[in-house]
Amino acid sequence: DGGITQSPKYLFRKEGQNVTLSCEQNLNHDAMYWYRQDPGQGLRLIYYSQIVNDFQKGDIAEGYSVSREKKESFPLTVTSAQKNPTAFYLCASSPHAIAGNTEAFFGQGTRLTVV
Amino acid sequence: DQQVKQNSPSLSVQEGRISILNCDYTNSMFDYFLWYKKYPAEGPTFLISISSIKDKNEDGRFTVFLNKSAKHLSLHIVPSQPGDSAVYFCAALAGTASKLTFGTGTRLQVTL
Repeated sequence: DGGITQSPKYLFRKEGQNVTLSCEQNLNHDAMYWYRQDPGQGLRLIYYSQIVNDFQKGDIAEGYSVSREKKESFPLTVTSAQKNPTAFYLCASSPHAIAGNTEAFFGQGTRLTVV
Repeated sequence: DQQVKQNSPSLSVQEGRISILNCDYTNSMFDYFLWYKKYPAEGPTFLISISSIKDKNEDGRFTVFLNKSAKHLSLHIVPSQPGDSAVYFCAALAGTASKLTFGTGTRLQVTL
C-alpha cells in the first residue's frame, strides 16, 4: 500500500557529525517537504522540492542540505553547522505543489537527538 | 513573526461535548486553510480544509468556520470522543505558494 516512510524513527548523533534522515514515498507525488517540530512551536519548513532535481529553501534552511535525485526520495542532511539539531523531523509529500484542495501527507517522523 | 497563531496551547473537554479550537492569522494573502491532527511521535494527518471562498465546511463530526474579516478560523468537533485527544495544528496557504504555514498547535484532551 502507498505511503510515505521515514527512517530511522530515532536517531542519535554526536555533536559535530553530519547525519542523513531518509524519506521515501511511493505515492507518485511530485512535491516533497521537510519540517521540523520543536516543543511549543508549529511545524517549520526546512526545505521543499516541487520536482525532481529542484528544491528550495524554507524558513529555517541554515545548517541543512537536501537532494532530490529521484521522485520517490528526498533525504535531509543535518550538518554540523546546525546549532540546535535536536528535534522531531517530519517529511511530507503532496501530489503537486500544495495548492487548491491538495493536502500534504506526512511520514511518521524521525526524532534526532544530539548527544 | 508568527503568521498563524493558535493562542490556546491546551484545551480540556468532556466526552460528548463540543470542542472548539481557534486559529488566527495575519497574512491577508492566505486563501486556503487546513487542520491537521497529530498524535505523539507520529506525523500529522489531514483532517479538514476550507477555501477562502467559503465560510463553512463540514465533514462528519468536524466543522471548520472561516471569518475572513476577522482573520479567524475555528474547528468544531461534536460530539468529542476520547480518541480525539491529540494536538491540532492549523495551517494556511497563500495562492499557489508551496509552503504551508503552521500554527503552534493546541493540545486537546477529551475526558470521560
